[in-house]
Amino acid sequence: EIVMTQSPATLSVSPGERATLSCRASQSVSTNLAWYQQKPGQAPRLLIYGASTRAAGIPARFSGSGSGTEFTLTISSLQSEDFAVYFCQQYDNWPWTFGQGTKVEIK
Amino acid sequence: QVQLVESGGGLVKPGGSLRLSCAASGFTFSDSYMSWIRQAPGKGLEWVSYISSSGSTIFYADSVKGRFTISRDNAKNSLYLQMNSLRAEDTAVYYCAKERGGWLDYWGQGTLVTVSS
Repeated sequence: EIVMTQSPATLSVSPGERATLSCRASQSVSTNLAWYQQKPGQAPRLLIYGASTRAAGIPARFSGSGSGTEFTLTISSLQSEDFAVYFCQQYDNWPWTFGQGTKVEIK
Repeated sequence: QVQLVESGGGLVKPGGSLRLSCAASGFTFSDSYMSWIRQAPGKGLEWVSYISSSGSTIFYADSVKGRFTISRDNAKNSLYLQMNSLRAEDTAVYYCAKERGGWLDYWGQGTLVTVSS
C-alpha cells in the first residue's frame, strides 16, 4: 500500500496570504494524484486531479504541482472560504490512499 | 446536477449487519465507476470499496475484505454496501462517490454508521 504523508498537519495563514501544502508518496505515483477540500460537516470536494488540473468550478487561486513522490497544493491568496482541511489522494495503485490531511486555519 | 444520496446508516451492535444505499441522479450512472469511502470521527479518509460500471471489477480495502460487499443496480441508479460482522472500528461516516479515472469528482453527504454495544 502506498503511504501518503502530508505536511504540515496545521498551517496558520492570514487572509490574503499564500498557503503551500505538501504531500509525499512512499513510492512514485507519477501524476496520479488528486487534492480535496473538506469543511466541517461537509463531504470532501475535488479541487485538483492529475496533480495539476483544476476540477470544474475551482478558482484559479488553487494550483497543484509535482510528480513522482513530491506534490504541492498552492492557494495563492487565501479567502475566508478556503479555511478547511485538505487531503491528497493517490490513484496510481489500488488501494487508493489518502494523506492524513492538512488543516488550514486563520492566523 | 449530480446528486448522490446515501441512506441506511445507524446504530448497530458489534457483529451486526447494515446495508447502505446510495441513490444517484444527474449523470449516466450505468457508465460510471463508483466507490465507498469512510471517515472515522475526527479522522482521515479511507477508501473502502470500488465497483466498475458493469460491476465486473470490484476492489476492497483489506480492512473490510470478506465482511463487506459492494454492488449496484444500474436499472435503479443505485449503489449498495452490505456490511456484515461489524466492528467498533467500522464506526464512521460512509460516503458514496462517483469516480472518474481514479479521482472522486462527486460525493454524497454521507451516512453515519455507529457500531457499539
